[in-house]
Amino acid sequence: DQQVKQNSPSLSVQEGRISILNCDYTNSMFDYFLWYKKYPAEGPTFLISISSIKDKNEDGRFTVFLNKSAKHLSLHIVPSQPGDSAVYFCAPRGGGSEKLVFGKGTKLTVNP
Amino acid sequence: NAGVTQTPKFRVLKTGQSMTLLCAQDMNHEYMYWYRQDPGMGLRLIHYSVGEGTTAKGEVPDGYNVSRLKKQNFLLGLESAAPSQTSVYFCATRTGSYEQYFGPGTRLTVT
Repeated sequence: DQQVKQNSPSLSVQEGRISILNCDYTNSMFDYFLWYKKYPAEGPTFLISISSIKDKNEDGRFTVFLNKSAKHLSLHIVPSQPGDSAVYFCAPRGGGSEKLVFGKGTKLTVNP
Repeated sequence: NAGVTQTPKFRVLKTGQSMTLLCAQDMNHEYMYWYRQDPGMGLRLIHYSVGEGTTAKGEVPDGYNVSRLKKQNFLLGLESAAPSQTSVYFCATRTGSYEQYFGPGTRLTVT
């Protein structure tokens, strides 16, 4: 059973608009949530994270929101740029665990 | 400062052959991980290590073995490759924080 679900396999937005990528999880023991970005033929790179004690974290154009009661988090990119076109993975950390659990990813395409 | 490097970048094996994938890091990180990524799937953890001389199983360890004889290297072995092991393999490291740093990947095809 999937502990981490990214229900939108793909998302297409226009340059300059907002991109919203969603992630749902089932494990209430997750205590830290990371987003990774992956370009083709490259390894994933860390983008932004949020602790379970917060509900928002912002870094430049990227903001992550966490709704613990709904077990839902979202990544907002404003404004979206063509260089943001990539696959985005949600990856929570299990409480006290060394391990990350990756969602299947959402492929974002930002059209010029 | 190369970060995390993986050798080789590509490999084609026949069923039953063996091979070793090498992950090397120059960041002095304690933790190292091996993942595989298949089409339409997220990254799945194969094995990991919390320090030199230690290894532990991840989510999909069957058919793989690992060794961490030196802190900077983490080796992933396939003793008898199977077509189901066709995948892209990623190595990652981390220090005390939660972020993992990934290598560029090894694309393995087993025919």
